[in-house]
Amino acid sequence: GNSVTQMEGPVTLSEEAFLTINCTYTATGYPSLFWYVQYPGEGLQLLLKATKADDKGSNKGFEATYRKETTSFHLEKGSVQVSDSAVYFCALSPPQTQGGSEKLVFGKGTKLTVNP
Amino acid sequence: DAGITQSPRHKVTETGTPVTLRCHQTENHRYMYWYRQDPGHGLRLIHYSYGVKDTDKGEVSDGYSVSRSKTEDFLLTLESATSSQTSVYFCAISQPLTSGGGETQYFGPGTRLLVL
Repeated sequence: GNSVTQMEGPVTLSEEAFLTINCTYTATGYPSLFWYVQYPGEGLQLLLKATKADDKGSNKGFEATYRKETTSFHLEKGSVQVSDSAVYFCALSPPQTQGGSEKLVFGKGTKLTVNP
Repeated sequence: DAGITQSPRHKVTETGTPVTLRCHQTENHRYMYWYRQDPGHGLRLIHYSYGVKDTDKGEVSDGYSVSRSKTEDFLLTLESATSSQTSVYFCAISQPLTSGGGETQYFGPGTRLLVL
């Protein structure tokens, strides 16, 4: 079946440090891939997405590249800020060719804390 | 914002009482979802709907029922609340991706439920 595995953390960094949060997936065919972010006390917000191999999603200084050969979609940011402190979720959406529902499959989330 | 509201935002109830949570959307999307979020488990799908009066179970549906009599409203009911149902509940709607298949989900702000 489809599944997502991401580093569980927590991850603690100093401001301006480089961030990587690893995400790998198992899926049949070519799923779409997502990163969601959840700030304290809020719902999940879509951060970025990629719909095919070698696509790079980017938003707010975050990037992730869809790597079919390594089944990965690692999240990166060159210089984190205190305001980036949140929980980050990797997710996949099965391709429509698989039929059935359109359910997303989520990783368990990685908590990031950025200290000044 | 994707036009999703949840009510109530906070609820305290006693074991054995019925509870209904409401999700309302203004986007006219076909798919709607209910998740629960618990520490160490990430997001888990409870039920989802693929149209008016069309619903199906997710991975943690025991103890929950849903109804969708209108496109814009998706109700989650705990028939007899238990302490294990203390959680944060999120509603989501989905929008098909224009390329690559799959979907993007947008989340409501959540409902914090405490069952004493």
